[in-house]
Formats: sequence, C-alpha cells, structure tokens
Amino acid sequence: LAKTTQPISMDSYEGQEVNITCSHNNIATNDYITWYQQFPSQGPRFIIQGYKTKVTNEVASLFIPADRKSSTLSLPRVSLSDTAVYYCLVGDPFQKLVFGTGTRLLVSP
Amino acid sequence: GAGVSQTPSNKVTEKGKYVELRCDPISGHTALYWYRQSLGQGPEFLIYFQGTGAADDSGLPNDRFFAVRPEGSVSTLKIQRTERGDSAVYLCASSSGGGRGYEQFFGPGTRLTVL
Repeated sequence: LAKTTQPISMDSYEGQEVNITCSHNNIATNDYITWYQQFPSQGPRFIIQGYKTKVTNEVASLFIPADRKSSTLSLPRVSLSDTAVYYCLVGDPFQKLVFGTGTRLLVSP
Repeated sequence: GAGVSQTPSNKVTEKGKYVELRCDPISGHTALYWYRQSLGQGPEFLIYFQGTGAADDSGLPNDRFFAVRPEGSVSTLKIQRTERGDSAVYLCASSSGGGRGYEQFFGPGTRLTVL
C-alpha cells in the first residue's frame, strides 16, 4: 500500500480557502485517493475520493495531477466547524483503509 | 436512517480479563471493518468481513484478538487476557461493498481502558 505524507498541522481563519496537499510517490495503478475527516471522539467521515484529474462535491474539491504522485484537498470558505483531522489515504477503497497521522486543521475566528 | 452503532461506548477492565465489543452496521451493508485508534494516531486496521467470513484479518495483532460475524450483520470483537497496551478506541465501519459502495461509514467507537 502506498505511503502518504501530509503536513502535521495547518492553521486558517474563517472564510478562507484551505488546501491540504498529500504526497504519495509510490501510488499504484489501481489505487484510489480518498480523504476522511475526523472530529474528536468521533469516527472518521468520508469526504471525497478520486482517481485522476479533479473531483468536486458539495463540501470539497480534490485535485490530482497527471502523474498522481500527489493530491490536494481544497476546502472552500472554511468555518470553525471544519476544525478536525484530515486523512489522506491511497489504496483500494473496498479493502482496508491505511491511515497515517493526518493533518490537524485549526480554524480560528 | 441509523448509522453504525457500537456498544459499549466505554469499557474499563483489568489486566488479564476478557472483553467483547459489539458493532451494529448499517442495515444491508455486507462489508464490516474493525480498526483501533491510539491517542494522536490514525486508525489502524484490524480485520475486514465480507458477509460472514473474514476476508482479511492481517491486522489482528496476536491470537488474543478474535472477531466474528455469524449472521453477516452484527460483529463482535473479542479480546482475551487483556493487556494495558490494548487500551485504545476501537472503531467499527461498514460499507455496502461492490460497485460504488466504497465509502466506509464509521461508528463512534468503544473506548477501552485496561487498568
């Protein structure tokens, strides 16, 4: 399973756009890129998933360059409630998920 | 509809005791996963069921850990002779599997404390 590298923490302010980049140099051809969000004392929650190019849903966008060795999760106009840990995962989403330590995002007023 | 539920929410036990943790997946979900999470770390995979059978149990740390899903719905994670290092939050997730059912829905977890 591909190993991922992402920043340990990030700070932002309400209303700003936040971009979290994840590196996955050893991604395999069949691997998908998936992002989960976790609040304290809760289980992780699926945010978005992609294979290549750009994916957008109601909460986020995922940008994947052609070489797929990295990806960027974009959160538009964050609010205080977006303060959480964000995990980037690479692999077969139907199988086990392999989590790293994630990125702790702190959104301030 | 109801999400994944886990019971108990908290469990305190003494070293050497046996514990059972229960997971009720979303109705109709064929895939069920167990993870555990230590403080400050991401969840760590333990075992994955597809229906009643364990499709991947490579994450179980040793033979003190065992999980069952006899009817393809509810699952129980069993830990024998608990050790202090087993203290963690145990998370259960389910998914509908196949096709586009790749999203795993997590429960709130069971916090296990071994004294």
